[in-house]
Amino acid sequence: DADVTQTPRNRITKTGKRIMLECSQTKGHDRMYWYRQDPGLGLRLIYYSFDVKDINKGEISDGYSVSRQAQAKFSLSLESAIPNQTALYFCATSSGWAYTFGSGTRLTVV
Amino acid sequence: AQSVTQLGSHVSVSEGALVLLRCNYSSSVPPYLFWYVQYPNQGLQLLLKYTSAATLVKGINDFEAEFKKSETSFHLTKPSAHMSDAAEYFCAVSVMGGTSYGKLTFGQGTILTVHP
Repeated sequence: DADVTQTPRNRITKTGKRIMLECSQTKGHDRMYWYRQDPGLGLRLIYYSFDVKDINKGEISDGYSVSRQAQAKFSLSLESAIPNQTALYFCATSSGWAYTFGSGTRLTVV
Repeated sequence: AQSVTQLGSHVSVSEGALVLLRCNYSSSVPPYLFWYVQYPNQGLQLLLKYTSAATLVKGINDFEAEFKKSETSFHLTKPSAHMSDAAEYFCAVSVMGGTSYGKLTFGQGTILTVHP
């Protein structure tokens, strides 16, 4: 099994729908992150969590929310999806300088 | 807060030629620096990292990068390009202190094309 698992791998959803992207990890790391990747913009941080009780906004948190259900689980929600949220989403964990990324979720909002 | 600028969104080289991908960073505290590669339709793979030890860092597939504090640079090089090096490359910075502790900040990415 992968160290960081993202589900689903691909998702097409309609404008206005609520959608949740899930991330689970077996690394035992306290720190978890959600990034989105857009062509020409690199990866930008949406939210991050340094432990179960600590959740922080990243540089592009508008339109997103997160839930840290346990040390191993960190979910990203789009309350009302819009087309410009179409992107590749990555979950990551870290301990010190060691970062581990999931394989990504490709989300398309139509 | 830290930031990364990658100079050149697209770089094209011939097979066998030198690869040079440029990265400059900004950080108020000593940085940790990374290069990641993303092959088409795949996730991120760590190429190499600088974590305050040797300034010349060697990574996988003959890539290396040199941390130059005076120039705030961390350019990625490879002596001889292979067709299989065609991918998108990301430079990233993290710090282990201050309010940005642990956050990884990425550059915009550079797409490397290798011609036969």
